[in-house]
Amino acid sequence: DAKTTQPTSMDCAEGRAANLPCNHSTISGNEYVYWYRQIHSQGPQYIIHGLKNNETNEMASLIITEDRKSSTLILPHATLRDTAVYYCIVRVARYGGSQGNLIFGKGTKLSVKP
Amino acid sequence: EADIYQTPRYLVIGTGKKITLECSQTMGHDKMYWYQQDPGMELHLIHYSYGVNSTEKGDLSSESTVSRIRTEHFPLTLESARPSHTSQYLCASSEYQGAPSEQYFGPGTRLTVT
Repeated sequence: DAKTTQPTSMDCAEGRAANLPCNHSTISGNEYVYWYRQIHSQGPQYIIHGLKNNETNEMASLIITEDRKSSTLILPHATLRDTAVYYCIVRVARYGGSQGNLIFGKGTKLSVKP
Repeated sequence: EADIYQTPRYLVIGTGKKITLECSQTMGHDKMYWYQQDPGMELHLIHYSYGVNSTEKGDLSSESTVSRIRTEHFPLTLESARPSHTSQYLCASSEYQGAPSEQYFGPGTRLTVT
């Protein structure tokens, strides 16, 4: 499985865009990039996922570089409620066997400040 | 909002007691998971299931056991609780077939063994 590297922590001013980077230089062609976040000690929450193209939903945008070796999660207007640990996970999209299971690393602790 | 429930939310129990942590989901998801997370640490997958009568061990060895007699129900049991079992236990579910889909997490059970 491709490993990911994320900064340990980041700060962002309230109302500004939060850009969270993730490196996955060993990603395979059939592996997706998933982003989850965990607010305090609640259960993680799915944010977005993508394969090659940039993706956007009501929560965030995901920008994947052309070589797929890195990606950036963008929260366009961060609020205090976006303070959380953000996990970047790379996994194949097959559910036969354990390959579809998510492996959570340490993630990036994002602190949104007033 | 995801319809996945865990009970109890908090449990303080003495060493040697048998405990069962309950997890139920009403989304008809085939795949279910149990994760363990110590405070400030990473989530580790300890058990998962593809469906009824299917259980598999996850990446982190655990003394707990699970069962899957009904699609919606995935309880975790510790036959004899020890202080080393003190942790947060998170249950999740996802669809099993088709395109990549997200895991939905419950609120977690915080277990303290005294």
